[in-house]
Amino acid sequence: EPEVTQTPSHQVTQMGQEVILRCVPISNHLYFYWYRQILGQKVEFLVSFYNNEISEKSEIFDDQFSVERPDGSNFTLKIRSTKLEDSAMYFCARSRTGNEKLFFGSGTQLSVL
Amino acid sequence: GQQLNQSPQSMFIQEGEDVSMNCTSSSIFNTWLWYKQDPGEGPVLLIALYKAGELTSNGRLTAQFGITRKDSFLNISASIPSDVGIYFCAGANSGGSNYKLTFGKGTLLTVNP
Repeated sequence: EPEVTQTPSHQVTQMGQEVILRCVPISNHLYFYWYRQILGQKVEFLVSFYNNEISEKSEIFDDQFSVERPDGSNFTLKIRSTKLEDSAMYFCARSRTGNEKLFFGSGTQLSVL
Repeated sequence: GQQLNQSPQSMFIQEGEDVSMNCTSSSIFNTWLWYKQDPGEGPVLLIALYKAGELTSNGRLTAQFGITRKDSFLNISASIPSDVGIYFCAGANSGGSNYKLTFGKGTLLTVNP
């Protein structure tokens, strides 16, 4: 199973601050996703990203969220002005194609105080 | 949106026993996946199912994709203590550049040595 590396593993921030979560790419994986999991709840889809653009996003992924993969480097999720309810585990996921198995990273635990 | 009903919510069994858990959906999926999540970690893919009626094994794990494409089950035979964790089913209607998963709420499995 391809390893999916995320940084940081934990992030604590103040409400209203911006945070950037990073996912390290694998060269032959072209499809990227962000999911989140609020403590004790199910994993929820946020956004899918292919060919440097968003292909689908959920209702959770509002204007405060953005994703990018500048110059083929890390795949990032930015939350512009964090809210308390943004506290969750954020998982990056990747697949080689749009129809293959989805592999998850170990996550970034975001705590908004 | 699509909803998955996963049951049971939790199970407490003795080592060596067999386990069965299932997921049902009100709508059709063309892919079912089963993941296991350990505390503080990302979901780890166990089995992927791509065809209605498909029965697939991975060691002591067996999963089936229901004929109606609205359900799936996972069986674990001869459970061992390291099987402890949360098991999630996930459905997808993959295609093109998108592979959005809808997760169930999970089954918490506890194995008593």
